Amino acid sequence: AQKVTQAQTEISVVEKEDVTLDCVYETRDTTYYLFWYKQPPSGELVFLIRRNSFDEQNEISGRYSWNFQKSTSSFNFTITASQVVDSAVYFCALPFFGGYNKLIFGAGTRLAVHP
Amino acid sequence: DVKVTQSSRYLVKRTGEKVFLECVQDMDHENMFWYRQDPGLGLRLIYFSYDVKMKEKGDIPEGYSVSREKKERFSLILESASTNQTSMYLCASSLITGGDGYGYTFGSGTRLTVV
Repeated sequence: AQKVTQAQTEISVVEKEDVTLDCVYETRDTTYYLFWYKQPPSGELVFLIRRNSFDEQNEISGRYSWNFQKSTSSFNFTITASQVVDSAVYFCALPFFGGYNKLIFGAGTRLAVHP
Repeated sequence: DVKVTQSSRYLVKRTGEKVFLECVQDMDHENMFWYRQDPGLGLRLIYFSYDVKMKEKGDIPEGYSVSREKKERFSLILESASTNQTSMYLCASSLITGGDGYGYTFGSGTRLTVV
């Protein structure tokens, strides 16, 4: 079955610390996408990244980086030099088996960055 | 700027009322989705639609119905609201395929309280 596990419910850090959010998934698909979304206090989920299972290279975008390891079914997200504006709930997501663009989401990790 | 607009940000309804949550997108997306978000459970799919007048049940359809009479509008209906339907409701839309992959665009959410 499709499943996404975000074991960290809440993380609290002080500004400028690095922080890693974990995501472990299960899928029956042989090829698939993985996603990360950010939900700031305003409520609207914002797309951060989509990764194809063919591509296991790490990706970096500014202070954000993603580590995809197919062997361990993990897609972890690291924020370097965290800022208060990074405070949000972060969701990892995976398409349902069978398509139709349905996404299954993890439970989310609430990140609080304190000044 | 492309948008998914949910008609209400906050709603308070009484037990037993029929409740309509409205969602409109201006991106000509084929797919539209309704999720509910609860602490510790992440986002759970209620219903989705891949075309006008077409709908599919998600993981938790009980107590809900949907309507999609026009491509841009997807309504979630609580036939007889109950207190266990108090939640944040999120609408999303996406293309079926193509360069956008499975990425969703989300609305800002409707926080429904049933008393």
